[in-house]
Amino acid sequence: AQRVTQPEKLLSVFKGAPVELKCNYSYSGSPELFWYVQYSRQRLQLLLRHISRESIKGFTADLNKGETSFHLKKPFAQEEDSAMYYCALDRNTNAGKSTFGDGTTLTVKP
Amino acid sequence: ETGVTQTPRHLVMGMTNKKSLKCEQHLGHNAMYWYKQSAKKPLELMFVYNFKEQTENNSVPSRFSPECPNSSHLFLHLHTLQPEDSALYLCASSQEDTEAFFGQGTRLTVV
Repeated sequence: AQRVTQPEKLLSVFKGAPVELKCNYSYSGSPELFWYVQYSRQRLQLLLRHISRESIKGFTADLNKGETSFHLKKPFAQEEDSAMYYCALDRNTNAGKSTFGDGTTLTVKP
Repeated sequence: ETGVTQTPRHLVMGMTNKKSLKCEQHLGHNAMYWYKQSAKKPLELMFVYNFKEQTENNSVPSRFSPECPNSSHLFLHLHTLQPEDSALYLCASSQEDTEAFFGQGTRLTVV
């Protein structure tokens, strides 16, 4: 069975500091991984997906198959990055059918 | 309105009531989903519809009954719910090889 683990429920950093949100997964096949973000009073939306290899809003995430991880990183956090972040794994190319982690609430302090 | 729209935004119902949640997408997607988000659990996939056909039911109790009359509309019919069913119910849609687009959810409280 597939599973996604986000070990930190809460993460707090100061503005300008680096931030890393951890995500580990278990899946026997070839995974497709995503990060979703939910800002206050806004809907859940895609932040990035590993196959795109993009940097969105300064965030990057590298799939490490050896460590079965997909950590989300940003070198300099901004206050507007404060939100709930979900790591998700999909077992096929249809992005809606994802298994989500429990989420990490990121707070960036001024 | 473009995107995925859910109504109502908030719903309070008794355990003997029957109510329905509605989801509408104007994105031309062919797949729609219901998720449950509660305080103590991660997002849980409930139902998947592809081209109006239900392709997945993740062991959801029969008191939740989905309906997909066309590829733009999705309903979740609720009947004799329990207090533990109180949660945020999210609808999403997608096209093959695209990300999921979520609605803002319906906050359901069962009393």
